[in-house]
Amino acid sequence: GAVVSQHPSWVICKSGTSVKIECRSLDFQATTMFWYRQFPKQSLMLMATSNEGSKATYEQGVEKDKFLINHASLTLSTLTVTSAHPEDSSFYICSATGPAYEQYFGPGTRLTVT
Amino acid sequence: AQRVTQPEKLLSVFKGAPVELKCNYSYSGSPELFWYVQYSRQRLELLVRHISRESIKGFTADLNKGETSFHLKKPFAQEEDSAMYYCALTQGGSEKLVFGKGTKLTVNP
Repeated sequence: GAVVSQHPSWVICKSGTSVKIECRSLDFQATTMFWYRQFPKQSLMLMATSNEGSKATYEQGVEKDKFLINHASLTLSTLTVTSAHPEDSSFYICSATGPAYEQYFGPGTRLTVT
Repeated sequence: AQRVTQPEKLLSVFKGAPVELKCNYSYSGSPELFWYVQYSRQRLELLVRHISRESIKGFTADLNKGETSFHLKKPFAQEEDSAMYYCALTQGGSEKLVFGKGTKLTVNP
């Protein structure tokens, strides 16, 4: 079946630094990927839609300059959290549209900003 | 605006009992409805998609347009069904998923 991976699975960084999270579709090509944020014991909140070869589309209230998204190839999208602060600590999840227009989710990346 | 409501934050049943997780939606068009499951420390998995009517792990869900509901059901719950369940929809033609807040199901032995 279609698999989506994320790297790293867990990252700790200091306040003010930037962190890059990768999302890869391993056995299919994805022109569209999505980035979500999930707070503890809460639902997923869509942050942005990542489009291969074009700019990402951000949801209302999401700072595009803080959460930089790059979808450089049909199998890779990256989310960079710039100048991270403790309030950015969260679980970040990506998904990719695969065969039969089904969404396949990555395992998530836990970001802790100290 | 489209919205997905899961009225139960927590649901607890005994093994072998029937289980129903409720989901209501508000959307003016014709949405596509989904149920996703997230086992502890695992990724989200698609459980039910209303257009396919396929039953996975014994779960089914029927779209009721009159009641704008898409409740998830299983006749006999198993302990391994304990997980978070999310109802979600996509808005006509879009791939963007709108999620409900989720229901944590606990199946007791």
